[in-house]
Amino acid sequence: SQTIHQWPATLVQPVGSPLSLECTVEGTSNPNLYWYRQAAGRGLQLLFYSVGIGQISSEVPQNLSASRPQDRQFILSSKKLLLSDSGFYLCAWSGIAEKLFFGSGTQLSVL
Amino acid sequence: AQKITQTQPGMFVQEKEAVTLDCTYDTSDPSYGLFWYKQPSSGEMIFLIYQGSYDQQNATEGRYSLNFQKARKSANLVISASQLGDSAMYFCAMRELDSDSWGKLQFGAGTQVVVTP
Repeated sequence: SQTIHQWPATLVQPVGSPLSLECTVEGTSNPNLYWYRQAAGRGLQLLFYSVGIGQISSEVPQNLSASRPQDRQFILSSKKLLLSDSGFYLCAWSGIAEKLFFGSGTQLSVL
Repeated sequence: AQKITQTQPGMFVQEKEAVTLDCTYDTSDPSYGLFWYKQPSSGEMIFLIYQGSYDQQNATEGRYSLNFQKARKSANLVISASQLGDSAMYFCAMRELDSDSWGKLQFGAGTQVVVTP
């Protein structure tokens, strides 16, 4: 069966520090991968998606970037965090079927 | 423009009662999929039910059913026999299947459901 791992679960970072959130998927090959952000009490906003290694599409211009160095690995990064980057970040994957399966999320607090 | 609208920010429902969560959507794409996800306080997003735009019958998954009214562009979630563990935020989402937006889910703002004993 397929599983998705996302870490860390929580992260507190100072403004201006770098960020790296990692997501890996097991049990499937060539998944579509996604990074979503959820502000407190709100719905999810798609940040990046990838249909293959090295292929990244950005939905929202921002301080963040994404990379897919391996088929089942998706990384969300920032060189310098802003206060507005705080939020709950969710990685997700999908196959040929329509459903998205989400990781457990990372709560990022930028102070 | 907002493509998914959930007009109920919060609802209280008594245990064992049924509850309907409203969702309306906006798309000009003839091929799309509609989803409902549950997000408990732990934060994980749990897939509940899916309805394709060409599906003739309303989707059902256990205690969850989707009341799909295509002409009205609504996809309401019905939870029957509510349980205390159903207390969570519920999100409606849509995936348009044209080539530009393939694979991307658009979410509504969510409805917070609290089940009371």
